[in-house]
Amino acid sequence: LAKTTQPISMDSYEGQEVNITCSHNNIATNDYITWYQQFPSQGPRFIIQGYKTKVTNEVASLFIPADRKSSTLSLPRVSLSDTAVYYCLVALSYNTDKLIFGTGTRLQVFP
Amino acid sequence: EAQVTQNPRYLITVTGKKLTVTCSQNMNHEYMSWYRQDPGLGLRQIYYSMNVEVTDKGDVPEGYKVSRKEKRNFPLILESPSPNQTSLYFCASSVGFAGTEAFFGQGTRLTVV
Repeated sequence: LAKTTQPISMDSYEGQEVNITCSHNNIATNDYITWYQQFPSQGPRFIIQGYKTKVTNEVASLFIPADRKSSTLSLPRVSLSDTAVYYCLVALSYNTDKLIFGTGTRLQVFP
Repeated sequence: EAQVTQNPRYLITVTGKKLTVTCSQNMNHEYMSWYRQDPGLGLRQIYYSMNVEVTDKGDVPEGYKVSRKEKRNFPLILESPSPNQTSLYFCASSVGFAGTEAFFGQGTRLTVV
């Protein structure tokens, strides 16, 4: 199973760019990398998904190197409302029936 | 508005009293699943369903049942709740396999005393 490893927590200040890196050394050829955001007592919310290189949407960018053993979620100019837990997930190619959430990265944004 | 709706949001019950948490999605998604979230343990999958009448166990299915008689609904049933099932529960749905974008409900906080 492709396990992911993320920093437990990160701190930032408003207006800064935040990069959260996820390690997934055992990623399989057909696996996608997906990031979710979760606020306290709310369900996770899909942020972005990618397979390789770079993906960008209105919320974030996802950078995936050629070996795909890691990925970086980039949040430009964070605000207080970006304080949340961020989860990196790898979709299992041979068992795509479940999402396996790790412990995530708790991002705290300060004024 | 695309959404996954869970009810109730909060529930306090006693040990052994059967309960059902409902989940409904309005996106015509085939895939639905249930998770529980506990401090320090993260989100763990309880059951999932790939389509109507197709369900399977996740990582922590003991003490739970599900059914999928209609595409939009995926209720979670606790036949005889116990205190160790006190948790925050989330229902999720997605258009295809689990790796596609999943939409989560707002959660049900269950306390079993």
